[in-house]
Amino acid sequence: ETGVTQTPRHLVMGMTNKKSLKCEQHLGHNAMYWYKQSAKKPLELMFVYNFKEQTENNSVPSRFSPECPNSSHLFLHLHTLQPEDSALYLCASSAGDVTYEQYFGPGTRLTVT
Amino acid sequence: EDQVTQSPEALRLQEGESSSLNCSYTVSGLRGLFWYRQDPGKGPEFLFTLYSAGEEKEKERLKATLTKKESFLHITAPKPEDSATYLCAVLTDSWGKLQFGAGTQVVVTP
Repeated sequence: ETGVTQTPRHLVMGMTNKKSLKCEQHLGHNAMYWYKQSAKKPLELMFVYNFKEQTENNSVPSRFSPECPNSSHLFLHLHTLQPEDSALYLCASSAGDVTYEQYFGPGTRLTVT
Repeated sequence: EDQVTQSPEALRLQEGESSSLNCSYTVSGLRGLFWYRQDPGKGPEFLFTLYSAGEEKEKERLKATLTKKESFLHITAPKPEDSATYLCAVLTDSWGKLQFGAGTQVVVTP
């Protein structure tokens, strides 16, 4: 595997389900990010882990919960989602210090029914 | 409040017809400006980073420039494979947080 991988690529879940999105980076980076991309809207940064420290984004609902067990893996735990949460969820990584170019995975297309 | 605005929203070009995309920004302290390309159903692909006014970067038919208030992405003699949405983003803190514009959708027809 190379670059940034995400699983699953597609996910359909009911509003009462609990699921998790997984991201893995093979670039030796120290920072990882979750973004939400909805139709006709700019990418929205949800969470940042830089050297394993998390910054909070106060506008993200608590039904989204991130987890970063090490610098290569990132999870987004989902529970009791709403239909408006349907979107493309993108993971990215960067070196996290001198250079900040972020490299993105292919995304998970989430549909909440 | 930091803002990133891209124009136009959409651009339709004939193959070989050069054009420019604009990214204007209002940020308290610019630490870098990034350009990405995104194809439908895929994640954004990194193109360029610009750090200071006057800086220019080139890659094949693309050239990015930066001033104190805006950046331009020039597409010279585009080909159909240049069709994509082009995103710009600004870096505003040491955590690596990027604020993205809404993008310009470019369609190049043969």
